[in-house]
Amino acid sequence: DIQMTQSPSSLSASVGDRVTITCRASQTINKYLNWYQQKSGKAPNLLIYGASTLQSGVSSRFSGSGSETVFTLTISSLQLEDFATYYCQQTFTTPRTFGQGTKVEIK
Amino acid sequence: EVQLVESGGGLVKPGGSLRLSCAASGFTFSISGMNWVRQAPGKGLEWVSSINSAGSHIYYADSVKGRFTVSRDNANDSLYLQMNSLRAEDTAVYYCARDKLHTAVIPFDLWGQGTLVTVSS
Repeated sequence: DIQMTQSPSSLSASVGDRVTITCRASQTINKYLNWYQQKSGKAPNLLIYGASTLQSGVSSRFSGSGSETVFTLTISSLQLEDFATYYCQQTFTTPRTFGQGTKVEIK
Repeated sequence: EVQLVESGGGLVKPGGSLRLSCAASGFTFSISGMNWVRQAPGKGLEWVSSINSAGSHIYYADSVKGRFTVSRDNANDSLYLQMNSLRAEDTAVYYCARDKLHTAVIPFDLWGQGTLVTVSS
């Protein structure tokens, strides 16, 4: 199975900060990498798919990059509504594994 | 409204069974691949199972293989998860999620609100 490892597991940031989260795959997954945002008590929400394609309706302050085994999610200017947990997921093969999550908290 | 609504969760004893349902509306369910994802209390997301639009290709996580069965009824826009031989470690919120169409990457672009399954004596 492909293991997905996110770093950091949590971070504290202020409104307006630029935030970067990294996701590493245990083997190459080309660009079959997706990012989700989950707020407390809610279902996950798709932000980015194919490593860098913004899902319709998602703010352009979110961006994704990377390929093969290393990927990043960047929030260009953190807003209050962005405080949440973020998950990467590979859909290159089954099982469609998720990273362990990165919790973004208010500093 | 485009939505997925799960039901069927509850409290069940170890070794027991439960059947979850996911009702789809507002989109053409019969052409969409579907998935089950779970989240144990305070933990991360775990993919459980996938089924293609026709129900002819089905996949399971090793942790549930042989105990859980996914199925779908395209005539009634519904997805199901039959869970047998339940264990305490199956306690989680179970989400159904839709495959995004027209992309080779196939992320999950629509999620239900989740239904809580608690396995405890």
